[in-house]
Amino acid sequence: AQSVAQPEDQVNVAEGNPLTVKCTYSVSGNPYLFWYVQYPNRGLQFLLKYITGDNLVKGSYGFEAEFNKSQTSFHLKKPSALVSDSALYFCAVRAPSGNTPLVFGKGTRLSVIA
Amino acid sequence: EPEVTQTPSHQVTQMGQEVILRCVPISNHLYFYWYRQILGQKVEFLVSFYNNEISEKSEIFDDQFSVERPDGSNFTLKIRSTKLEDSAMYFCASWSLLNTEAFFGQGTRLTVV
Repeated sequence: AQSVAQPEDQVNVAEGNPLTVKCTYSVSGNPYLFWYVQYPNRGLQFLLKYITGDNLVKGSYGFEAEFNKSQTSFHLKKPSALVSDSALYFCAVRAPSGNTPLVFGKGTRLSVIA
Repeated sequence: EPEVTQTPSHQVTQMGQEVILRCVPISNHLYFYWYRQILGQKVEFLVSFYNNEISEKSEIFDDQFSVERPDGSNFTLKIRSTKLEDSAMYFCASWSLLNTEAFFGQGTRLTVV
């Protein structure tokens, strides 16, 4: 069975500082990994994905994530945080075969303080 | 840019009533999903749908839930007899194998009173 762990409920960072939101996963075989962001009272917006290839993937709004197979991690990063990045971030995984559904972590609330 | 649309955005219903949540997936997508999120918490899988049948469902998706694609464009989730604990945000998602990522609608907030 697939699972995702986001160990931090809340991450606080000062504007302009780098941010990291942590994610570890468990899945059989090579994973498909995703990050989604949810702004207040909004839906889930796709940020980036890792399917194969380069371990460092770049996504929307200056976010990037690094796939680490040995540590089964897929941490989300941004070099310089903005107040507008404050939101709820979800890591998700699915197995590559067929129509398997996304499994989400519990989410991490990011607060960027001016 | 194509998007998944959901209606209504907010539904208030009395306990025991039936509700139907509607979704229009992206037109060339073949895989459809319903998820729910209780009060900004974890996003939970309910059901996946492909080729006009359920392909997988979670333990949450019990007999009071059903899904349907009645006309080739809409994708609906029906809750037959709502309970207070069904209050949640319900998200529809769709994807095609060409994309690998799922596209989510804005959600329907269901409030059962």
